[in-house]
Amino acid sequence: DAGVIQSPRHEVTEMGQEVTLRCKPISGHDYLFWYRQTMMRGLELLIYFNNNVPIDDSGMPEDRFSAKMPNASFSTLKIQPSEPRDSAVYFCASSRTGGLAETQYFGPGTRLLVL
Amino acid sequence: GENVEQHPSTLSVQEGDSAVIKCTYSDSASNYFPWYKQELGKRPQLIIDIRSNVGEKKDQRIAVTLNKTAKHFSLHITETQPEDSAVYFCAASPGGGADGLTFGKGTHLIIQP
Repeated sequence: DAGVIQSPRHEVTEMGQEVTLRCKPISGHDYLFWYRQTMMRGLELLIYFNNNVPIDDSGMPEDRFSAKMPNASFSTLKIQPSEPRDSAVYFCASSRTGGLAETQYFGPGTRLLVL
Repeated sequence: GENVEQHPSTLSVQEGDSAVIKCTYSDSASNYFPWYKQELGKRPQLIIDIRSNVGEKKDQRIAVTLNKTAKHFSLHITETQPEDSAVYFCAASPGGGADGLTFGKGTHLIIQP
């Protein structure tokens, strides 16, 4: 299994630009999570999906952030317009329901720098 | 919502000694408590987890204990080795893992040779 795949791995952009982060969960996993990691705030949950449906987006910082999951194998996190305080590592994670298989597996992350 | 406190923020131990990291949580509905290890520049990786129907779980040199009454759980690493050096995060979830995780702020574990 390839694990959770994220792209791009690194992104440098200028303030005001649109940024799109992409995630492919592990095949067969029906939960997908987006987290953000910064030195100041640590690891924070932004939003998560179950069977492609957003369940909890209370962690999304503001309207500049949006996330979609058009199908079971793809999700995007979009920031428009981006600001320097959005600089962080964004992780996608996936898990599946049932039994003892609730472990959340993290992708390699996208390191975002907004200048 | 859930709030997870983690202590200490930095822990330095001699190689071969034991290390203990402690976390407390606020939401009595939380029932799943994973621990993740994150090396510099890498993704968090699960090292052990415990569910609220279990008081202790061991996996070789790693053990986790849970006190539901006091709402705290701890990670114990015995016979520490240089490769144990990393940042460790505790987390809590009310959904058995099929729910967003609330993380502690992390403990930077340093193993002194």
